[in-house]
This record gives sequence, structure tokens and C-alpha cells, in this order.
Amino acid sequence: EPEVTQTPSHQVTQMGQEVILRCVPISNHLYFYWYRQILGQKVEFLVSFYNNEISEKSEIFDDQFSVERPDGSNFTLKIRSTKLEDSAMYFCASSEVENTEAFFGQGTRLTVV
Amino acid sequence: AQSVTQPDIHITVSEGASLELRCNYSYGATPYLFWYVQSPGQGLQLLLKYFSGDTLVQGIKGFEAEFKRSQSSFNLRKPSVHWSDAAEYFCAVGVKEYGNKLVFGAGTILRVKS
Repeated sequence: EPEVTQTPSHQVTQMGQEVILRCVPISNHLYFYWYRQILGQKVEFLVSFYNNEISEKSEIFDDQFSVERPDGSNFTLKIRSTKLEDSAMYFCASSEVENTEAFFGQGTRLTVV
Repeated sequence: AQSVTQPDIHITVSEGASLELRCNYSYGATPYLFWYVQSPGQGLQLLLKYFSGDTLVQGIKGFEAEFKRSQSSFNLRKPSVHWSDAAEYFCAVGVKEYGNKLVFGAGTILRVKS
């Protein structure tokens, strides 16, 4: 069964460092998403991406964040200068078409120290 | 503002007992509705979805959910719980008018006692 894969599963970084979280969406999917879940809090939408551009972003997704689809298979989330409050589980998701079910990856646990 | 409420943070049921997890949403438009499950250390797995049509939907692992527009609810049910169902369950809604994003509830942690 096709699945969304994320790497790494866990990343520890020092405050102020740049991190790149990687995702391989399901191959025939066209819409890609990042969500995050701070420990003990809700899963929150960050950004959606379609046709090589951001289609929607939340207030959380400020200038420190960026997304890219560098090739035909990967979808990345970059945080330029990490802060302690960026520590969270980051989920990548993809969907085949607009407004259908999204399939989520296993998540990357980011710890900023 | 859009919101999803899962009023039960924790629920404990005995193995073999029935289960109902509650979900209420607040939207002006007709939502798309989902239930996801997260086992420890795992990602979010889709259990079932509702887009339109029959308001009782069947999902994987023996789960079902019923959409009640009058109550703005989408409660998840299972007639007989297994120990392997212990996990955290998330209700989520998507509204076409608000783009592709999902809004999640806070989750309900299910414990199963033998």
C-alpha cells in the first residue's frame, strides 16, 4: 500500500540552526501539506502546496518557514533559524485531489535545544 | 472561527465493550469529516471519512461514524473494542470554502482494560 514517508524520524538541533524536514508523498498525489503537533496540543495546519506553489498557509507559517518540491518526489519543510517553540512533531500529508482525504506520514519529531 | 471539539480527553473501556467517541464541529458550511487514529510512535492513520450521501459511514478496523447535521456531530463508534484499539483518536474537518486544510480536534485517548 502506498504511503507517505518522512525522514528523519527524530531530529535534535540547536536553537538558531536551520533544519530541513523531508517527505516523500504518495506518487500520484498532487496536494501536499505540513502539519505540526506541539506536545500535548492539537494537530495544527501549517501549509498546503499545489502545482509548485503554496496554496494556503496558516499564521504559524511565517518567514522562518519555507517549503519546496526540489524534484519529482520530495517535499521539504525548512525552518531557517529554529526556536525552542518549534519543538514539535511535524507531519507531512498528501492527497490525490483537492478536498479529499489526506494521508499522513509517520512524523518527524523535532527537538530544539 | 472554525473549531472542532472532542469533549473527552480520556476514555477507558473494557475489552469487548462498545465504544463511542464524540466529535462536534462549528462551521457555517457543510464540512468534510474524518476520523484519524494515532498509535504511540506512529503517524495518523485514516479510519473513515464523510463527504456526502449516507450519513452512516463504515471505516477500517470495524469502526463506523454517523454524521448528524442537526447536532453538528460526527461520533465514532465500535460495537466491540479490542485491546489493539488503544490509541489516540482525532476528529478532523475540512471545509471546501476554506481551502484544503484540516482542522483537528484535541484528540481522545482510548484505554482498553482487560
